[in-house]
Amino acid sequence: DADVTQTPRNRITKTGKRIMLECSQTKGHDRMYWYRQDPGLGLRLIYYSFDVKDINKGEISDGYSVSRQAQAKFSLSLESAIPNQTALYFCATSDGGAGYEQYFGPGTRLTVT
Amino acid sequence: GEDVEQSLFLSVREGDSSVINCTYTDSSSTYLYWYKQEPGAGLQLLTYIFSNMDMKQDQRLTVLLNKKDKHLSLRIADTQTGDSAIYFCAESTGTASKLTFGTGTRLQVTL
Repeated sequence: DADVTQTPRNRITKTGKRIMLECSQTKGHDRMYWYRQDPGLGLRLIYYSFDVKDINKGEISDGYSVSRQAQAKFSLSLESAIPNQTALYFCATSDGGAGYEQYFGPGTRLTVT
Repeated sequence: GEDVEQSLFLSVREGDSSVINCTYTDSSSTYLYWYKQEPGAGLQLLTYIFSNMDMKQDQRLTVLLNKKDKHLSLRIADTQTGDSAIYFCAESTGTASKLTFGTGTRLQVTL
């Protein structure tokens, strides 16, 4: 089984709808991250969490919110989806050790029409 | 803030060497990374280099770091079709464990 899983893998939604993307990990890591990937822009950090009680905004948090329900679960919500939130979304985890390697989920492709 | 730049596309012939370049602006970068993204998949760490090193070699991969010019490169020897992917350069600073990614370089390997 994959160490970092994301659900759903693909989602099409309409403008104004609320949507939640979920991430679960079995690596036992404290640190979890949400990124979005857009062609030609690379990955940009939306939110990150260093433990269940610690939530931090990344560089593009406007329009998004997160919930860290447990050490293993980190959800990303779009309260009112808009078309420019169409992107590929990745969850990642890290143990914060030497090298700070991050382990990525397979991604959720979100389309807002 | 931090900025990491890469060229968007590189095409090489199978068996040749590939060199993917990256420049960054943050002189306090602690670690610099190369991640690989295959089609339909998440990113996977290929290798990383600590900022006080200037070279790291791992089988077919060679990473060169020029701190003075803030330039990082990834050389893939004997490039194979399975190396076709998007390669991301990234950097982290201090203990924040946050990564700043470049735009990604799409490597196309032709026969």
